[in-house]
Amino acid sequence: SYVLTQPPSVSVAPGQTARITCGGNNIGSKSVHWYQQKPGQAPVLVVYDDSDRPSGIPERFSGSNSGNTATLTISRVEAGDEADYYCQVWDSSSDHPLYVFGTGTKVTVL
Amino acid sequence: QVQLVESGGGLVKPGGSLRLSCAASGFTFSDYYMSWIRQAPGKGLEWVSYISSSGSTIYYADSVKGRFTISRDNAKNSLYLQMNSLRAEDTAVYYCAAGSGSSLSNDYWGQGTLVTVSS
Repeated sequence: SYVLTQPPSVSVAPGQTARITCGGNNIGSKSVHWYQQKPGQAPVLVVYDDSDRPSGIPERFSGSNSGNTATLTISRVEAGDEADYYCQVWDSSSDHPLYVFGTGTKVTVL
Repeated sequence: QVQLVESGGGLVKPGGSLRLSCAASGFTFSDYYMSWIRQAPGKGLEWVSYISSSGSTIYYADSVKGRFTISRDNAKNSLYLQMNSLRAEDTAVYYCAAGSGSSLSNDYWGQGTLVTVSS
């Protein structure tokens, strides 16, 4: 089955840039979506189709995807960005398509 | 505004059954595919099941195949998950999610309902 690997944690100072990676075999050939989940809340879509932002998501959130790694970049990090972040793809490579979520990354704002 | 409200969670004994519901409003439900996604306490997100906008295409995670059944009623703007033969490892918050993109992102999420399987 398809596996997405994320670093367990990323720490960043306010105003700096956080980069969260999502590793998967040839992930560059798939569309990657990113979700933000704050404690006690439901996930929120922050980036879809590798690099597009839903309405209402700040431009500080951006994404890229190439080769075996997709990356979510949060620029000018704010305290309110502290959350868990998950990448996700739709794996249709077999006769049993399925959603795959990454292992999740906890972003801590120092 | 878009709203997804799950209900039906609770405490159930191993081997028991539960039916979750998700009431949708604020968007054209019949245009959206739907999914159930769960999160065990302190753990990450795990996809459970997917149903297309018409209900004609359904997929399940291996962990629930044969035990869970997803369905929808577009006339009632509602999504369901029938859960049978429940196990302790099914304990989780269950979220319903909706999407409309070709790459199957989950654009909107409900607040979740907690299912606890314990004797």
